[in-house]
Amino acid sequence: AQSVTQLGSHVSVSEGALVLLRCNYSSSVPPYLFWYVQYPNQGLQLLLKYTSAATLVKGINGFEAEFKKSETSFHLTKPSAHMSDAAEYFCAVSDKAAGNKLTFGGGTRVLVKP
Amino acid sequence: ETGVTQSPTHLIKTRGQQVTLRCSSQSGHNTVSWYQQALGQGPQFIFQYYREEENGRGNFPPRFSGLQFPNYSSELNVNALELDDSALYLCASSPDGLAQSGYTFGSGTRLTVV
Repeated sequence: AQSVTQLGSHVSVSEGALVLLRCNYSSSVPPYLFWYVQYPNQGLQLLLKYTSAATLVKGINGFEAEFKKSETSFHLTKPSAHMSDAAEYFCAVSDKAAGNKLTFGGGTRVLVKP
Repeated sequence: ETGVTQSPTHLIKTRGQQVTLRCSSQSGHNTVSWYQQALGQGPQFIFQYYREEENGRGNFPPRFSGLQFPNYSSELNVNALELDDSALYLCASSPDGLAQSGYTFGSGTRLTVV
């Protein structure tokens, strides 16, 4: 069975500082991994996805994530936080063995301080 | 190209009632998935429809049922509503139901059961 753990339900960063959101997954087969962002009262927007090509994945809004198989991790980073990055971020895993459904972590809420 | 649209945006129902939520998939997408997102949690997979057939179901009771129409739009029906059914219901569509192709999410329907 696949699962996702996001370390830290809340993260507070200063504007201009590094954003680092942690995600660890478990999957019985090679996984596909995703990061989504959710703004208040909205649905989920895809930031980036890993589908077994390059292990360093670049996404929208300056975010990137690195797939590390040995650590079963897919951490999300952004070099310089912007006020508009305040939102909730979800890591998700999917694989063929699980019928291609998405399994989400519990989410990390990011607060950006001026 | 239009994205995923869901209706209604908000809904208040009484315990024991029945509710129908609707979703129009993105143009060119033949797969629709439904997720339940309780307050402060990550989305949980309810079920998925591919070309009008259910092809995956999460850990939800039978009173959660669905339908997909020939135009690939979809409905989620919930019978005998319980207070714990209060949540944001998200619809997501995919061009082929494969995880690596990605899913596009709608803005959701906020259901409150009183």
